[in-house]
Amino acid sequence: DQQVKQNSPSLSVQEGRISILNCDYTNSMFDYFLWYKKYPAEGPTFLISISSIKDKNEDGRFTVFLNKSAKHLSLHIVPSQPGDSAVYFCAASAIGSGTYKYIFGTGTRLKVLA
Amino acid sequence: NAGVMQNPRHLVRRRGQEARLRCSPMKGHSHVYWYRQLPEEGLKFMVYLQKENIIDESGMPKERFSAEFPKEGPSILRIQQVVRGDSAAYFCASSPSSSGRAITDTQYFGPGTRLTVL
Repeated sequence: DQQVKQNSPSLSVQEGRISILNCDYTNSMFDYFLWYKKYPAEGPTFLISISSIKDKNEDGRFTVFLNKSAKHLSLHIVPSQPGDSAVYFCAASAIGSGTYKYIFGTGTRLKVLA
Repeated sequence: NAGVMQNPRHLVRRRGQEARLRCSPMKGHSHVYWYRQLPEEGLKFMVYLQKENIIDESGMPKERFSAEFPKEGPSILRIQQVVRGDSAAYFCASSPSSSGRAITDTQYFGPGTRLTVL
């Protein structure tokens, strides 16, 4: 039962343009969402998070949007840079329910073309 | 300020041997989580520990796997009698001591241990 889904396994974007990565979830108890970036042979690196009481959070080039009614979140990277090429994972947690584990999607491989 | 440390980075074992994976959390963090990533899949939660306590082990296989986080020293994930299906990347994460606002206690990951079972 895949509670967090990233339906696009890969995405290619031209340098300087916007990258939009999508994530859908099924569990309405999720109240905290995160995006991680992962390079090969390294651990996931935290990028940005959002609580369910918000619908947008911005940090530099990265913005996360949350649509609770659609159970959908997205990560926007503007402008995209070649160093952004990595696998991006979204994750969700039901912290309000006392559960601290993160449920991860299967990842989207982003390639930013110079 | 050192991040989450894991060792070894690579571990090769033959079927039936034991594997011990170590994780030292970030300074000031007392919550440790273990995740496993199989090839071409996302990370799957295994266990959540605080010092000397297992809080949530709902993701741990019922047999051969155990975890501990002693009062002193690193957290250990132990896999007994390894099988080929145990080959994966094992990641440890840590988060700060709970401030009562757990939603801010983001998990920070180590570089992982890649286990290969021959």
